[in-house]
Amino acid sequence: AQSVTQLGSHVSVSEGALVLLRCNYSSSVPPYLFWYVQYPNQGLQLLLKYTSAATLVKGINDFEAEFKKSETSFHLTKPSAHMSDAAEYFCAVSSLGAGNNRKLIWGLGTSLAVNP
Amino acid sequence: DGGITQSPKYLFRKEGQNVTLSCEQNLNHDAMYWYRQDPGQGLRLIYYSQIVNDFQKGDIAEGYSVSREKKESFPLTVTSAQKNPTAFYLCASSGTGGSITDTQYFGPGTRLTVL
Repeated sequence: AQSVTQLGSHVSVSEGALVLLRCNYSSSVPPYLFWYVQYPNQGLQLLLKYTSAATLVKGINDFEAEFKKSETSFHLTKPSAHMSDAAEYFCAVSSLGAGNNRKLIWGLGTSLAVNP
Repeated sequence: DGGITQSPKYLFRKEGQNVTLSCEQNLNHDAMYWYRQDPGQGLRLIYYSQIVNDFQKGDIAEGYSVSREKKESFPLTVTSAQKNPTAFYLCASSGTGGSITDTQYFGPGTRLTVL
């Protein structure tokens, strides 16, 4: 069965510093992985997704993530944090269940704070 | 503009009352999902539907019911049997081709508070 672990429920960085949000997955089949962002009291928005085409995936707002099979990781990074990046970030893996029903397995989220 | 709408944004309910949350999409997506979000617990799947007139229970379906009579609509009813319904509810949709890599697109959410 698939699962996702996000290391660190809260991360704090200074404006302009590197952002690193960690995600490890468990999957018995080749995984498809997603990062979403959620601003307060809003829905989720896709940042980027890995679908086996390239291990380094670039997303919106200068975010990127690298799929590392040997480490079962899909960490999210951004070279320089901006105040507007303060939000909740979720990692998810796509699961194919009984009857070919597809759903996402979600991590618990990481809250990113950006300090001026 | 294509997207997902949820209404209302805020909803208050008295204990013992059923309440229905609306979710509509004009993205021509086949699949639709309902999630519940509580602080520190991430997203938990309530129900999902891959096609009209069919739906499956998610991880926390007890106390909830859904219908999928139209492709664009997937209303969620929170019944009086749901013991702790106060939460943020998110609707999502995905897939015009039924691919496992399909992105889920989310509505803005409905915050339900039981008084």
